[in-house]
Amino acid sequence: QVQLVESGGGVVQPGRSLRLSCAASGFSITTYGMHWVRQAPGKGLEWLTVISSDGNTKFYADSVKGRFTISRDISQNTLYLEMNSLRAEDTAVYYCAKDDHNHGYDYWGQGTLVTVSS
Amino acid sequence: DIQMTQSPSSLSASVGDRVTITCRASQGINNYLAWYQQRPGKVPKLLIYAASTLQSGVPSRFSGTGSGTDFTLTISSLQPEDVATYYCQKYDNSDPFTFGPGTKVDIK
Repeated sequence: QVQLVESGGGVVQPGRSLRLSCAASGFSITTYGMHWVRQAPGKGLEWLTVISSDGNTKFYADSVKGRFTISRDISQNTLYLEMNSLRAEDTAVYYCAKDDHNHGYDYWGQGTLVTVSS
Repeated sequence: DIQMTQSPSSLSASVGDRVTITCRASQGINNYLAWYQQRPGKVPKLLIYAASTLQSGVPSRFSGTGSGTDFTLTISSLQPEDVATYYCQKYDNSDPFTFGPGTKVDIK
């Protein structure tokens, strides 16, 4: 069955970097677009970035453009989010999500909490 | 960028009531709209895509309508398990995949 498992969250100081992973199983990430979405404590959902099924197209929200990078390892069937120059406002639960061919996100990971604090 | 708004921001209704949530896009997005339910402390769940197509396994009391800029999510008969925050999201590939701010639904 389809499963998405995020890891890599934790407490990090402002200005530092962190890499999140999303291990996919039950499907190939080369077949579907994959997204990262975050949710700050007590706030709504914020879309961050997408990588297309062929890996050639990536889009980013303005709030993370130039600081965050989405990538993938096909051999590991794993999605990544490299986060640099972290700020307090990046504190959130980060979710990866599978895009069902432009039919919405049919599967989500359980989320990983990133806390940016000195 | 296209902005997404939702109304109301919260509502309280009785079990069995009909509940309607509105989502509006600042520009036309055809029918590239999804609705998600997020119960307290849980991961979001896809309810509807393409504005009106019910995701497999979602109860039929949920329905969606709209196209262009104005969309609605309706719960025909509110149930206790429907207490959640509901988000719309545009997924027009020409622009960010923006979520609406959410509508919190609880039981009166």
